[in-house]
Parts: sequence; C-alpha cells; structure tokens
Amino acid sequence: AQSVTQPDIHITVSEGASLELRCNYSYGATPYLFWYVQSPGQGLQLLLKYFSGDTLVQGIKGFEAEFKRSQSSFNLRKPSVHWSDAAEYFCAVGAGGNTGKLIFGQGTTLQVKP
Amino acid sequence: DAGVIQSPRHEVTEMGQEVTLRCKPISGHDYLFWYRQTMMRGLELLIYFNNNVPIDDSGMPEDRFSAKMPNASFSTLKIQPSEPRDSAVYFCASSRTGGGQETQYFGPGTRLLVL
Repeated sequence: AQSVTQPDIHITVSEGASLELRCNYSYGATPYLFWYVQSPGQGLQLLLKYFSGDTLVQGIKGFEAEFKRSQSSFNLRKPSVHWSDAAEYFCAVGAGGNTGKLIFGQGTTLQVKP
Repeated sequence: DAGVIQSPRHEVTEMGQEVTLRCKPISGHDYLFWYRQTMMRGLELLIYFNNNVPIDDSGMPEDRFSAKMPNASFSTLKIQPSEPRDSAVYFCASSRTGGGQETQYFGPGTRLLVL
C-alpha cells in the first residue's frame, strides 16, 4: 500500500537560512508526488508537484523539490527562508490510477526565527 | 474563480446534535473530496465524488457520517448524531479530473467542536 513519511514533525530555522524538509514515500510504480503548504487557519495550497520528466521541480514562493527514485524521496528545499514561510508542510503521493486520491504525510511544522 | 467555498467556517455544537457541513467546488471541476484533519490522525480522506456520484466512501468512519452531492456545485457532509471525537477540521477539495497528476484545490475548512 502507498504511504508517505515525513520524518520531521517540527523544524525551526533562522530567517535567511536554507531549508530542507524530508519526505519518503512507498509506491510500486512511478509516483505522482505533491507538496502542499497550510498556513494557520487556512486550507492547503499546492507548492509543486512531480509526475514525470525533470526530477528537479520548481514551485511557487521559491520552493523546489527533487525526486530521487533510488531513495524513494521527494525532499522540499528553499535556499533562503522568509518569516512568512512559517506554516505546516504536507507531502502527498497519488494513490494510483485515475482516482485522484492523495495520501498525505503527517506534516512538518516550520517555525522561522527572526 | 472564488475557489472552493465551505460553510460554516466554525461550528460549535453539543453531543448528539446533527451537524451539516457545506461545500461549493470550483466550477468545472468533476471531482470533489472530503477530508478530516486531526492532530492524532492527520489528513484523512473520507469520501470522494466524480460527477456527483460517490466513488469511494471507505474513509467514512461510521454510519453516523453521510455525504451527498445533489448537483455539480454543492455537496454536504452530515454527522448525526455528533460526538466529541468528531471534533476536527473538515476540508473540501475539488479537482478538474481524476488524473493522478491533477491538483486538488482546498477550501478553507470548517472547524468543528463537539461539546
């Protein structure tokens, strides 16, 4: 069965520092992978997604993610974090077929220190 | 487009009462998803619809939960009777198609507290 693991529940970084959020997935075929962000009191917003082609994917707000099949990973990165990036980040994998179902990780809460 | 609209944004009710959550998907989207978010279980898919037809309700926790989609622009999630353990944030999302690469667009959620 498909699953997603986000090993870090909570991460704190200083403003201006680089960021990497980890995501590992379990899936038998080439996965569809997503990163969503949830600001406090808001719904989820798509940051980026991967489904084929270049394994380095660019997203909104200066985020990027790299798909590594050998490591079953899809880590999210940003070179310089802004205070407004403080939020909860969810990695998700498509459940397969044309169902459109997503399986979400438990989320990583990002805190940004001034 | 206004995005996915959910109402109410907040609901406080007493145990045993009926609760109805509402969702208006993005116009032209054929898929609608209901999720529940709790600290303990994270984001769980409850049910999803394709062209107003329920496709998979395996995530609905109990018979107390029911969902309908009478037309392409409206869906409800009903809990009857409600229990304190139903307290959570309920999200509605829609997507244009069911393709695996399709983006789901989420509403702002309904924060439910059952006393």
